[in-house]
Amino acid sequence: DIQMTQSPSSLSASVGDRVTITCRASQGISNYVAWYQQKPGKVPKVLIYAASTLHSGVPSRFSGSGSGTEFTLTISSLQPEDVATYYCQKYDSAPLTFGGGTKVEI
Amino acid sequence: EVQLLESGGGLVQPGGSLRLSCEASGFTFSSYAMSWVRQAAGKGLEWVSEISGSGDSRYYADSVKGRFTISRDNSKNTLFLQMNSLRAEDTAVYYCAKEPTPTAGFYFDYWGQGSLVTVSS
Repeated sequence: DIQMTQSPSSLSASVGDRVTITCRASQGISNYVAWYQQKPGKVPKVLIYAASTLHSGVPSRFSGSGSGTEFTLTISSLQPEDVATYYCQKYDSAPLTFGGGTKVEI
Repeated sequence: EVQLLESGGGLVQPGGSLRLSCEASGFTFSSYAMSWVRQAAGKGLEWVSEISGSGDSRYYADSVKGRFTISRDNSKNTLFLQMNSLRAEDTAVYYCAKEPTPTAGFYFDYWGQGSLVTVSS
């Protein structure tokens, strides 16, 4: 099965900073990657699908890029409400594996 | 408005069984694939199982294959997860999640609030 390795596992940044999270697939998966945000005590929400398409209603400071085996989620200007754990997920085929998560703190 | 409401969680002994349900509303249920995703306390997300909109295609994580069965009743807009031979490591919040297409193998655009399953003696 294809593994999804996310890095870093946690990070601390200041308000207004640019933040980048990376997800690496153990094999090529084209652009079949989604990114989710899970705030403390809340349900996950999709931010990006097809590696770079912003889901409806998601702020434009979030962006995604990548194809094949390396993918990135970028927050262009970190806001206090962005404190959360972020997960990547592959969906080229089952199993629909998640990355281990990146906890973002201010 | 899409709503997914899980039920059926609770405390069960190791080796026991439990059946989770997820009642859907706000969309044409039969037109979308659905999945179950779980999260142990303080841990990450783990995909468990997926079923296509028609119910013809089903997929399972290796960790639950042979013990869990996913099904759906499109006439009642309800998704199920039958969990047998439960183990302590199955303890988690179980979310039902909607996919954006009828065929299996996509991301999740809506999630339920989750149902807690605790496996302990």
